[in-house]
Amino acid sequence: AQSVTQLDSHVSVSEGTPVLLRCNYSSSYSPSLFWYVQHPNKGLQLLLKYTSAATLVKGINGFEAEFKKSETSFHLTKPSAHMSDAAEYFCVVSDRGDDKIIFGKGTRLHILP
Amino acid sequence: GAVVSQHPSRVICKSGTSVKIECRSLDFQATTMFWYRQFPKQSLMLMATSNEGSKATYEQGVEKDKFLINHASLTLSTLTVTSAHPEDSSFYICSAYEGASADQETQYFGPGTRLLVL
Repeated sequence: AQSVTQLDSHVSVSEGTPVLLRCNYSSSYSPSLFWYVQHPNKGLQLLLKYTSAATLVKGINGFEAEFKKSETSFHLTKPSAHMSDAAEYFCVVSDRGDDKIIFGKGTRLHILP
Repeated sequence: GAVVSQHPSRVICKSGTSVKIECRSLDFQATTMFWYRQFPKQSLMLMATSNEGSKATYEQGVEKDKFLINHASLTLSTLTVTSAHPEDSSFYICSAYEGASADQETQYFGPGTRLLVL
């Protein structure tokens, strides 16, 4: 069975400092993994996705994530936070053998001036 | 925590018929709900934003006459796929915001509805 755990419900970082949003997953098969961002009162926007190509995935707005099978992790990072990065971030897993997708509960990122 | 339900969870219909999917916030009021669609092994696509008491806002490329959205109350939004065709077969997910202010709002996702059009 699939599951996704986002380890932090809230993360606060200062502008210009690195961002780390953690995500662990469990999957019976080879998973596809996604990170979505949602700004207040907006719909979800895809940041990046992993589908068995390179384990280091680069996304939009300077974000990237690394698929680590041994650690069952897919943490999202960004070298330098910007005020516009303040939003909620969702880690999502989808098994290759099953179209169903499972969302994490989300991590709200706060950027301090 | 807050719960969003969808009904039905799975539906099979004949081509040309209409299908209604319900999205309910079970223990909170939601002025805004979102409808997403997911094609097999692909990421989500936002279809529309549903606003209680007003017309939905559709994303570019989404046919508003085909995907009718009604948000008649603070706990219920419905998506009706009219004259469904096999290419409408997909996984439809709704989400709803809870919270009194933008800073505190938390979004909850429904479990999804699998539509198969024969």
